Amino acid sequence: AQSVAQPEDQVNVAEGNPLTVKCTYSVSGNPYLFWYVQYPNRGLQFLLKYITGDNLVKGSYGFEAEFNKSQTSFHLKKPSALVSDSALYFCAVRAITGGGNKLTFGTGTQLKVEL
Amino acid sequence: GAGVSQTPSNKVTEKGKYVELRCDPISGHTALYWYRQSLGQGPEFLIYFQGTGAADDSGLPNDRFFAVRPEGSVSTLKIQRTERGDSAVYLCASSLTSGEYNEQFFGPGTRLTVL
Repeated sequence: AQSVAQPEDQVNVAEGNPLTVKCTYSVSGNPYLFWYVQYPNRGLQFLLKYITGDNLVKGSYGFEAEFNKSQTSFHLKKPSALVSDSALYFCAVRAITGGGNKLTFGTGTQLKVEL
Repeated sequence: GAGVSQTPSNKVTEKGKYVELRCDPISGHTALYWYRQSLGQGPEFLIYFQGTGAADDSGLPNDRFFAVRPEGSVSTLKIQRTERGDSAVYLCASSLTSGEYNEQFFGPGTRLTVL
């Protein structure tokens, strides 16, 4: 079985400061990892994914994420937060083999960026 | 181009009634997914189609839930004898192919309320 943990329900950051949203995963074998963002009353929007190769993945809106195999983590980061980044963020995992095509999501982390 | 669309955006029904939820995937996307998102939770996988066939329906909670995709494009999720516990946001997603590395693009969801 595959699973994702997002240990923080909410993260508060001041605008201009760096932000980190944490994610750890559990799969059999190697993972595909994804981050999505959800704004109120809107669908999930794809931010970035890790498939293979460079452990640092760059995505939309200045976000990046670092894959750490030994720690089974895939934390989302941004060097300088904006108020407009405030939203609900979901980490998701998909096993390369044996997990089918379904994504398994974490419970989400609410990011609040304040002036 | 147009994204994934879902209709209706909101559906209120009474316990015991039958409902249908529709999903129009992105044109050309062969893979289609249904997820269910309860309040405060991440999306949970229900069923996945590759073309017209259901390749994985392991997430359907019971036999009251059924989905079809007769022409390999539009899909309908059908819920019989609705229960209050079925209340949730039902999300549809599509991807270019069923390849594991392809990100899924989500629609805005249908909010189902069972009274």
